[in-house]
Amino acid sequence: DIQMTQSPSSLSTSVGDRVTITCRASQSVITYLNWYQQKPGKAPNLLIYAASSLQSGVPSRFSGSGSGTDFTLTISSLQPEDFATYYCQQSYSTPRTFGQGTKVEIK
Amino acid sequence: QVQLQQSGPGLVKPSQTLSLTCAISGDSVSSNSGAWNWIRQSPSRGLEWLGMTYYRSKWYNDYALSVKSRIIINTDTSKNQFSLQLNSVTPEDTAVYYCARSGTHIDAFDIWGQGTLATVSS
Repeated sequence: DIQMTQSPSSLSTSVGDRVTITCRASQSVITYLNWYQQKPGKAPNLLIYAASSLQSGVPSRFSGSGSGTDFTLTISSLQPEDFATYYCQQSYSTPRTFGQGTKVEIK
Repeated sequence: QVQLQQSGPGLVKPSQTLSLTCAISGDSVSSNSGAWNWIRQSPSRGLEWLGMTYYRSKWYNDYALSVKSRIIINTDTSKNQFSLQLNSVTPEDTAVYYCARSGTHIDAFDIWGQGTLATVSS
């Protein structure tokens, strides 16, 4: 199985800040890497697919980059509704695997 | 728009079978570009993909090794839905279970069900 490792596990930040979350795969997934946002009591919501493609309806302040084993999710200017937990997930092979999550909290 | 509606009991006794159904609207379970997945989430295991079913001129299933001996994902084309059966459950199977769509155009989980908390307890 491909292991996905996110860092940091949590971060405290403020509205308007730039936020960067990193995801590392245990082997190359090329660009088969997706990012999700999850709020308490809700299903995850797809933000970015294929490493850098913005899902329809997702604000442009979200962006993704990377290839191979190292990937980044960036929120250019954090908004109040962005406080949530973020997950990466690889779709290069089965079993599909997720990172452990990064919780973005209000400072 | 595409929606997934989950149904099924939230309480299952140990050693019994957990059964959940996911009804699809706005897409077809027989689509040649879709795949229909079950994913669960618990504090101890995080988000865990359990398996998927898809149709590419014939039906295919792909299951996670961790549950492969206990899981069945079925489809009902007449009702446009798919289902999860997880046999011989233990308290470790307690989790929120989600159904989700992925596909060939967007190889990611782009549509999710609302989630079902399944508790394994006597």
